[in-house]
Amino acid sequence: EAGVAQSPRYKIIEKRQSVAFWCNPISGHATLYWYQQILGQGPKLLIQFQNNGVVDDSQLPKDRFSAERLKGVDSTLKIQPAKLEDSAVYLCASSWPADTQYFGPGTRLTVL
Amino acid sequence: AQTVTQSQPEMSVQEAETVTLSCTYDTSENNYYLFWYKQPPSRQMILVIRQEAYKQQNATENRFSVNFQKAAKSFSLKISDSQLGDTAMYFCAFMNWETSGSRLTFGEGTQLTVNP
Repeated sequence: EAGVAQSPRYKIIEKRQSVAFWCNPISGHATLYWYQQILGQGPKLLIQFQNNGVVDDSQLPKDRFSAERLKGVDSTLKIQPAKLEDSAVYLCASSWPADTQYFGPGTRLTVL
Repeated sequence: AQTVTQSQPEMSVQEAETVTLSCTYDTSENNYYLFWYKQPPSRQMILVIRQEAYKQQNATENRFSVNFQKAAKSFSLKISDSQLGDTAMYFCAFMNWETSGSRLTFGEGTQLTVNP
């Protein structure tokens, strides 16, 4: 069974530029999560989807971050414009509803 | 709001020995899951073990076992026969699907180093 796929693995951008990350969950997993992990900290949830609907986006900085999951499968997370403090690893995870979450390899973003 | 505390930022152990990582959590809920995840330098989060709060029996997965003390809100991870490949950051995580939309709340992590 294929795991959670993410791309790109690494991204370096200048501040005020935009960037997008892609995630493809494990087949059949209805729930998809995006987490932000700043160096030295545990991951923090940005947004959770159930199929193509948003369940929780209370910690998403909506002035610069957006995410979509249009067909209930893969998802895109966008940052526009990026700030220095957005430098982090962005982790995507998927699960059956309310069950164990399985993580992708992450995207390491560096904002200069 | 739930919180998860890992009081040991770093630990080290000799290969083949046993080590225990500590985790405490705070919640007013009764139904929840607890997890230990391992994060090697590649940064991928890998599930180590899972415990359902309604189960009294402690979960085990090969060399990994937990000591779940629900009343004390404690959830420690024991690694037996430590191997060099166990070197990683270990995160304790909490999930309550009834009130938190199944989000995971993570601790700050414990960096474990296994020495040869």
